[in-house]
Amino acid sequence: QQPVQSPQAVILREGEDAVINCSSSKALYSVHWYRQKHGEAPVFLMILLKGGEQKGHDKISASFNEKKQQSSLYLTASQLSYSGTYFCGTEGNDKLIFGTGTRLQVFP
Amino acid sequence: EADIYQTPRYLVIGTGKKITLECSQTMGHDKMYWYQQDPGMELHLIHYSYGVNSTEKGDLSSESTVSRIRTEHFPLTLESARPSHTSQYLCASSARDRGPQFFGPGTRLTVL
Repeated sequence: QQPVQSPQAVILREGEDAVINCSSSKALYSVHWYRQKHGEAPVFLMILLKGGEQKGHDKISASFNEKKQQSSLYLTASQLSYSGTYFCGTEGNDKLIFGTGTRLQVFP
Repeated sequence: EADIYQTPRYLVIGTGKKITLECSQTMGHDKMYWYQQDPGMELHLIHYSYGVNSTEKGDLSSESTVSRIRTEHFPLTLESARPSHTSQYLCASSARDRGPQFFGPGTRLTVL
């Protein structure tokens, strides 16, 4: 089952914060996050493993709640370069399945 | 520099033609994947391989086939292209189970 992301789209001004959520109906071992800019390939951001960990990458961080089968991506003080479509990818007992995607646009 | 390459980047062909999309990686990764993605939409896994001589079908039904004779090379073949095959095809690789995937630049295919 494909994980569901919310919201579907976000519009921000530079400097604003955003949260993107990813929910699965299956038990998860790990969650990946990727960003895809228009016309380009997805780029790996981070991976969170079972254990409820949180990770950070510059001003982008994420959390993983395996009991709720959910992950959230936090973008703080957004920059123009954050614009793109964000995909979560979830792994249970099987291979990675990508989520529905969240389109994020940051304006000056 | 370790990387993942796809050729061609763009391809426009007529219905019924046989085509092969090339994917090569220089990272020594055992695991390789093919995804299909329509513009602005999610990625759908169509084939994957966990090593030489290993290939599996993904979640999205596809009329394509793949082969993995060498670790670094994972070509995808369409025996008879149709307009419904028009899409972007992305190749990816990863070093290990549950590891990050690294994507090639993609091949944008248009079948007339």
